[in-house]
Order: sequence, then structure tokens, then C-alpha cells
Amino acid sequence: GAVVSQHPSRVICKSGTSVKIECRSLDFQATTMFWYRQFPKQSLMLMATSNEGSKATYEQGVEKDKFLINHASLTLSTLTVTSAHPEDSSFYICSASVGRGDEKLFFGSGTQLSVL
Amino acid sequence: DAKTTQPPSMDCAEGRAANLPCNHSTISGNEYVYWYRQIHSQGPQYIIHGLKNNETNEMASLIITEDRKSSTLILPHATLRDTAVYYCIVRVKTGSSASKIIFGSGTRLSIRP
Repeated sequence: GAVVSQHPSRVICKSGTSVKIECRSLDFQATTMFWYRQFPKQSLMLMATSNEGSKATYEQGVEKDKFLINHASLTLSTLTVTSAHPEDSSFYICSASVGRGDEKLFFGSGTQLSVL
Repeated sequence: DAKTTQPPSMDCAEGRAANLPCNHSTISGNEYVYWYRQIHSQGPQYIIHGLKNNETNEMASLIITEDRKSSTLILPHATLRDTAVYYCIVRVKTGSSASKIIFGSGTRLSIRP
């Protein structure tokens, strides 16, 4: 099956710094990518949808200035957590889609962010 | 997207069939049923999806009732590696762009030796 690579797998940062997470589709062109976050023992929560070459669409309650999403190419989307705080500590997961609407989504392996 | 209801947890003996139910009573005619699973600290893994016919692949079988208001995921011979949280999701087929997947709370499946 298609492969979605997410990097880094784990990051620890100081409060107030920014962290960038990359999501790459390795063997297909992803017109749409989704970003999720997951707290311990909870389900995945959709944060935003990004389409290549256009601005991301954020879910209600997600701060777009806090979580910057860039989808500049068909194989790469990035999520930048700006001015991170301890409450931003979470598991962040991306998924990528060819964009036909009926196909399965492939997910990255996730990034565990810990903000000290 | 229509909401799904799943039991919070189930267990199954190793080697037996694991049957995971899902209710989606408000599903629309153009919504597919998808199943994913998530093993601890990993990204979700696609298992199977279907519209109204039963589906089978190398991982599992999906049985959808005739009225499409519920479905069952069947893992025919459960192994310890099948221990995971299983998510049943309904998703609109848009035809031209990817529709988002909204996760419910899922079923935590435990396989006992």
C-alpha cells in the first residue's frame, strides 16, 4: 500500500519555541492532507484539511495562527506548532489522499510532541 | 458525517474469530463504511471499506446489513498482534476531492492467549 512518512517521530522542546512536523507521501501525489492530534486514551481529533496550493481549512476551535499548515507540493505538508506550550503536548498524525474522494486514506506513524 | 456507535471494549481468544459491531443508523446512501485500527502509539491502519455489499480482503471481512444501519468487522483468526483500537467510520464519497475522516471513540479489542 501507499506510504506516508512523518518526521520526526518524537520531539521534545522548550516552552515558547516552534516545532515543525513534516508529512510526505512517498509513492503517490497527495492533493489533500489531513492533520490530527490525539491525547492519551482519546480518539483522533481532526485539526485541519490542507489542499495543495491553497490555504488550509481548520476545524472549529483550532487556532490557525497557532498551528501553521503549509502544503506547498503534492508530496509534502508541514505542520508548525508556534510558541509551543505544555498543553500542546500531544500525538500529531497526518494522513494523505490522492483526492478522488472514494479511496482509503493513508496515515503517517505520528509525532509525539512533548513541550517542557 | 453520520455518527457511529461502537462498544468501548471487547476481548477475544487467540485463534478465534473477532466480531466487532458498529451502528450507523443515520448513514446516507452515498456514505461508505470504513474500518481502521490503531495499535498503541502508531498511526491508524486501513482495514477495509464498503458501501452495501459485503467485502473481504486479506485482513478481514466486512458485513453490512441490508438496511445499512449497522455493520460487523470480522477478523477470522485473531492473533495477539490484532490487539488495537478499532474505529468504524462513515465517510461521504465526493468523487472529486477527498472527504475527511472523523474518528469516534472506537472499540478497544484485547486478544487473550
